[in-house]
Amino acid sequence: NAGVTQTPKFRILKIGQSMTLQCTQDMNHNYMYWYRQDPGMGLKLIYYSVGAGITDKGEVPNGYNVSRSTTEDFPLRLELAAPSQTSVYFCASLIVGAGELFFGEGSRLTVL
Amino acid sequence: AQKITQTQPGMFVQEKEAVTLDCTYDTSDPSYGLFWYKQPSSGEMIFLIYQGSYDQQNATEGRYSLNFQKARKSANLVISASQLGDSAMYFCAMREPSNQAGTALIFGKGTTLSVSS
Repeated sequence: NAGVTQTPKFRILKIGQSMTLQCTQDMNHNYMYWYRQDPGMGLKLIYYSVGAGITDKGEVPNGYNVSRSTTEDFPLRLELAAPSQTSVYFCASLIVGAGELFFGEGSRLTVL
Repeated sequence: AQKITQTQPGMFVQEKEAVTLDCTYDTSDPSYGLFWYKQPSSGEMIFLIYQGSYDQQNATEGRYSLNFQKARKSANLVISASQLGDSAMYFCAMREPSNQAGTALIFGKGTTLSVSS
Protein backbone atom coordinates (compact mmCIF):
# COMPACT_ATOMS: atom_id res chain seq x y z
CA ASN A 1 0.00 0.00 0.00
CA ALA A 2 1.26 3.44 -0.90
CA GLY A 3 -0.53 5.21 1.99
CA VAL A 4 -0.21 9.01 1.75
CA THR A 5 1.88 10.24 -1.17
CA GLN A 6 3.17 13.81 -1.50
CA THR A 7 4.82 15.42 -4.48
CA PRO A 8 7.20 17.07 -4.99
CA LYS A 9 9.56 16.16 -2.15
CA PHE A 10 11.73 19.23 -2.72
CA ARG A 11 11.06 22.53 -4.45
CA ILE A 12 12.70 25.93 -4.63
CA LEU A 13 10.48 28.87 -5.53
CA LYS A 14 11.17 32.50 -6.22
CA ILE A 15 9.25 35.16 -4.33
CA GLY A 16 5.90 35.76 -5.99
CA GLN A 17 5.72 32.41 -7.79
CA SER A 18 2.85 30.00 -7.24
CA MET A 19 2.80 26.24 -6.97
CA THR A 20 0.69 23.29 -5.90
CA LEU A 21 1.75 20.58 -3.49
CA GLN A 22 0.02 17.36 -4.37
CA CYS A 23 -1.30 14.87 -1.82
CA THR A 24 -3.08 11.63 -2.56
CA GLN A 25 -4.07 8.72 -0.33
CA ASP A 26 -5.22 5.27 -1.31
CA MET A 27 -6.76 4.23 2.02
CA ASN A 28 -10.23 5.67 1.38
CA HIS A 29 -9.81 8.01 4.35
CA ASN A 30 -12.44 10.69 4.82
CA TYR A 31 -10.33 13.20 6.68
CA MET A 32 -7.27 14.90 5.27
CA TYR A 33 -4.96 17.61 6.62
CA TRP A 34 -2.12 19.89 5.65
CA TYR A 35 0.46 20.88 8.25
CA ARG A 36 3.62 22.94 8.08
CA GLN A 37 6.70 22.43 10.20
CA ASP A 38 9.15 25.27 10.66
CA PRO A 39 12.71 24.52 11.83
CA GLY A 40 12.83 23.32 15.44
CA MET A 41 9.08 23.64 15.81
CA GLY A 42 6.07 21.41 15.95
CA LEU A 43 3.48 21.02 13.24
CA LYS A 44 0.85 23.67 12.65
CA LEU A 45 -2.44 22.99 10.86
CA ILE A 46 -2.98 24.91 7.62
CA TYR A 47 -6.20 23.43 6.23
CA TYR A 48 -8.26 20.31 6.70
CA SER A 49 -11.06 18.44 4.98
CA VAL A 50 -13.71 16.11 6.37
CA GLY A 51 -14.72 14.76 2.99
CA ALA A 52 -14.92 15.50 -0.71
CA GLY A 53 -16.15 19.03 -1.31
CA ILE A 54 -15.66 20.16 2.30
CA THR A 55 -12.61 22.11 3.47
CA ASP A 56 -11.91 24.47 6.33
CA LYS A 57 -9.13 26.66 7.68
CA GLY A 58 -6.75 25.60 10.39
CA GLU A 59 -4.42 27.68 12.53
CA VAL A 60 -2.23 29.18 9.77
CA PRO A 61 -4.21 29.36 6.48
CA ASN A 62 -3.02 32.73 5.13
CA GLY A 63 -1.29 32.46 1.78
CA TYR A 64 -2.69 29.01 1.00
CA ASN A 65 -5.70 27.47 -0.67
CA VAL A 66 -6.98 23.91 -0.88
CA SER A 67 -9.58 21.89 -2.74
CA ARG A 68 -11.02 18.41 -2.26
CA SER A 69 -12.76 17.25 -5.38
CA THR A 70 -12.22 13.54 -4.67
CA THR A 71 -11.73 11.43 -1.54
CA GLU A 72 -8.20 10.58 -2.64
CA ASP A 73 -6.71 13.99 -3.44
CA PHE A 74 -6.11 17.10 -1.34
CA PRO A 75 -3.81 19.57 -3.11
CA LEU A 76 -2.39 22.61 -1.35
CA ARG A 77 -1.84 25.74 -3.46
CA LEU A 78 0.58 28.48 -2.56
CA GLU A 79 -0.22 31.81 -4.20
CA LEU A 80 2.46 34.52 -4.39
CA ALA A 81 5.12 32.64 -2.46
CA ALA A 82 6.90 34.51 0.34
CA PRO A 83 10.07 33.64 2.30
CA SER A 84 7.85 33.06 5.36
CA GLN A 85 6.41 30.03 3.55
CA THR A 86 9.78 28.28 3.59
CA SER A 87 8.93 25.16 5.54
CA VAL A 88 8.36 21.42 5.41
CA TYR A 89 4.79 20.56 4.50
CA PHE A 90 3.07 17.39 5.62
CA CYS A 91 -0.15 15.92 4.34
CA ALA A 92 -1.99 13.48 6.60
CA SER A 93 -5.18 11.44 6.55
CA LEU A 94 -7.54 9.74 8.98
CA ILE A 95 -10.20 7.14 8.30
CA VAL A 96 -12.79 8.30 10.85
CA GLY A 97 -12.82 10.80 13.68
CA ALA A 98 -10.45 8.88 15.90
CA GLY A 99 -7.13 7.12 15.71
CA GLU A 100 -3.73 8.24 14.62
CA LEU A 101 -3.02 10.39 11.60
CA PHE A 102 -1.18 8.78 8.72
CA PHE A 103 1.45 11.15 7.33
CA GLY A 104 3.08 11.54 3.98
CA GLU A 105 6.86 11.85 3.80
CA GLY A 106 6.78 15.63 3.63
CA SER A 107 7.61 18.25 1.02
CA ARG A 108 10.47 20.66 1.67
CA LEU A 109 9.79 24.07 0.16
CA THR A 110 12.28 26.92 0.01
CA VAL A 111 11.24 30.41 -1.14
CA LEU A 112 14.11 32.68 -2.18
CA ALA B 1 -1.82 29.39 26.39
CA GLN B 2 -0.11 26.49 24.73
CA LYS B 3 -2.20 23.37 24.43
CA ILE B 4 0.78 21.01 24.42
CA THR B 5 3.99 21.82 26.29
CA GLN B 6 7.22 19.90 25.92
CA THR B 7 9.75 21.56 28.20
CA GLN B 8 12.83 19.54 27.24
CA PRO B 9 14.38 20.81 24.01
CA GLY B 10 17.00 18.06 24.15
CA MET B 11 17.62 14.88 26.08
CA PHE B 12 20.70 12.68 26.18
CA VAL B 13 20.76 9.03 27.18
CA GLN B 14 23.08 6.08 26.85
CA GLU B 15 22.16 2.85 25.13
CA LYS B 16 20.11 0.41 27.23
CA GLU B 17 19.03 3.11 29.65
CA ALA B 18 15.44 4.23 30.07
CA VAL B 19 14.40 7.81 29.29
CA THR B 20 11.29 9.85 30.00
CA LEU B 21 10.15 12.61 27.67
CA ASP B 22 7.81 15.09 29.31
CA CYS B 23 4.51 16.36 27.95
CA THR B 24 1.82 18.43 29.62
CA TYR B 25 -1.44 19.43 28.02
CA ASP B 26 -4.27 21.87 28.52
CA THR B 27 -7.87 21.08 27.70
CA SER B 28 -11.30 21.40 29.24
CA ASP B 29 -12.75 18.62 27.09
CA PRO B 30 -13.68 15.53 29.11
CA SER B 31 -12.88 13.34 26.11
CA TYR B 32 -9.55 13.76 24.37
CA GLY B 33 -6.70 11.72 22.97
CA LEU B 34 -2.97 11.96 23.42
CA PHE B 35 -0.41 10.77 20.88
CA TRP B 36 3.32 10.48 20.53
CA TYR B 37 5.12 10.61 17.19
CA LYS B 38 8.77 10.05 16.32
CA GLN B 39 10.51 12.05 13.61
CA PRO B 40 13.94 10.67 12.66
CA SER B 41 16.46 12.75 10.73
CA SER B 42 14.96 11.43 7.49
CA GLY B 43 11.89 13.52 8.31
CA GLU B 44 8.92 11.17 8.27
CA MET B 45 6.37 11.14 11.09
CA ILE B 46 6.06 7.76 12.80
CA PHE B 47 3.16 7.07 15.17
CA LEU B 48 4.29 5.49 18.44
CA ILE B 49 1.51 5.32 21.01
CA TYR B 50 -1.97 6.57 21.90
CA GLN B 51 -3.77 7.22 25.20
CA GLY B 52 -7.47 8.05 25.47
CA SER B 53 -8.65 10.24 28.31
CA TYR B 54 -10.99 7.53 29.56
CA ASP B 55 -8.46 4.72 29.35
CA GLN B 56 -7.92 3.29 32.82
CA GLN B 57 -4.52 1.82 32.14
CA ASN B 58 -1.40 3.43 30.75
CA ALA B 59 -0.81 2.58 27.10
CA THR B 60 2.15 0.39 26.17
CA GLU B 61 3.62 -0.53 22.77
CA GLY B 62 6.75 -2.63 22.96
CA ARG B 63 9.50 -0.49 24.50
CA TYR B 64 7.23 2.55 24.62
CA SER B 65 4.86 3.32 27.46
CA LEU B 66 2.84 6.38 28.24
CA ASN B 67 2.80 7.58 31.84
CA PHE B 68 -0.65 9.18 31.93
CA GLN B 69 -1.41 11.33 34.98
CA LYS B 70 -4.80 12.82 34.26
CA ALA B 71 -5.06 15.05 37.33
CA ARG B 72 -1.68 16.60 36.52
CA LYS B 73 -2.51 16.76 32.81
CA SER B 74 0.69 15.03 31.89
CA ALA B 75 1.36 12.31 29.32
CA ASN B 76 5.03 11.45 29.48
CA LEU B 77 6.61 9.00 27.06
CA VAL B 78 8.88 6.38 28.58
CA ILE B 79 11.32 4.56 26.32
CA SER B 80 12.89 1.54 27.95
CA ALA B 81 16.26 0.08 26.93
CA SER B 82 17.19 2.91 24.55
CA GLN B 83 18.74 2.04 21.21
CA LEU B 84 20.85 4.12 18.85
CA GLY B 85 17.94 4.09 16.42
CA ASP B 86 15.82 5.94 18.98
CA SER B 87 17.77 9.14 18.27
CA ALA B 88 15.12 11.43 16.79
CA MET B 89 12.72 14.27 17.49
CA TYR B 90 9.67 13.23 19.52
CA PHE B 91 6.37 15.06 19.40
CA CYS B 92 3.50 14.92 21.83
CA ALA B 93 0.10 15.71 20.30
CA MET B 94 -3.51 15.98 21.40
CA ARG B 95 -6.91 15.57 19.77
CA GLU B 96 -9.45 17.89 21.37
CA PRO B 97 -12.98 17.35 20.01
CA SER B 98 -14.23 20.81 20.99
CA ASN B 99 -11.56 22.41 18.83
CA GLN B 100 -12.89 23.74 15.51
CA ALA B 101 -10.78 21.22 13.65
CA GLY B 102 -11.79 18.57 16.14
CA THR B 103 -10.23 15.58 14.42
CA ALA B 104 -6.88 17.26 13.82
CA LEU B 105 -3.93 16.89 16.16
CA ILE B 106 -2.35 19.78 18.06
CA PHE B 107 1.41 19.31 18.37
CA GLY B 108 4.00 20.37 20.89
CA LYS B 109 7.36 21.78 19.81
CA GLY B 110 9.13 18.48 20.28
CA THR B 111 12.07 17.03 22.19
CA THR B 112 15.27 15.92 20.50
CA LEU B 113 16.54 12.64 21.93
CA SER B 114 20.15 11.65 21.41
CA VAL B 115 21.23 8.11 22.29
CA SER B 116 24.94 7.39 22.63
CA SER B 117 26.85 4.13 22.78
